[in-house]
Amino acid sequence: EIVLTQSPGTLSLSPGERGTLSCRASQSVSSSSLAWYQQKPGQAPRLLIYGASSRATGIPDRFSGSGSGTDFTLTISRLEPEDLAFYYCQQYGTSPWTFGQGTKVEIK
Amino acid sequence: EVQLVQSGAEVKKPGESLKISCKGSGYSFTTYWIGWVRQVPGKGLEWIGIIYPGDSDTQYSPSFQGQVTFSVDKSTSTAYLQWSNLKASDTAMYYCARLPFDGSGYWSYWGQGTLITVSS
Repeated sequence: EIVLTQSPGTLSLSPGERGTLSCRASQSVSSSSLAWYQQKPGQAPRLLIYGASSRATGIPDRFSGSGSGTDFTLTISRLEPEDLAFYYCQQYGTSPWTFGQGTKVEIK
Repeated sequence: EVQLVQSGAEVKKPGESLKISCKGSGYSFTTYWIGWVRQVPGKGLEWIGIIYPGDSDTQYSPSFQGQVTFSVDKSTSTAYLQWSNLKASDTAMYYCARLPFDGSGYWSYWGQGTLITVSS
């Protein structure tokens, strides 16, 4: 099973700042089959990015994904107060599909 | 508009059985894989598995194989997740979610979640 390790555990940023979230895989993720989700308190997760870098429908362009192989990044270019949430990466290139443990984004 | 609407919260005792539901609307139910994800309170997300409503083909995560069963009712566009012998460790929020048309393994639509509490 591919283990995904996300860092940092918590990211504290001020509105307007740039945030970089990391997702590292224990082995190569085939075909860049990596997604990112946002989960706000009390809500279901929401798809942000798929295929490592493709934004899902309706996702603001301040969210971007990059990476390949074992190292992937989610960047929030200008943090908005509503971006307070947990962010999870997920690989779907190899069964069983697995999630990272999450990064909590806090607003300073 | 694609919607996945799940059944309400349940409180059960260890050893009991349970079946929760996820009703799809706004799309062709039989042509998209649908699956289940578990979230233990305060913890992360875990993939349980997927089912193809068109022919009931299933894939279970090894961690959940034999512990849960998927099924669908095509006539009502509803997917089900069931347990025959609940344990306290099954206490969690369970989400249903839909894959995109090409079957790639990312979850493009999610239900609102069903909270299952198992306690004696």
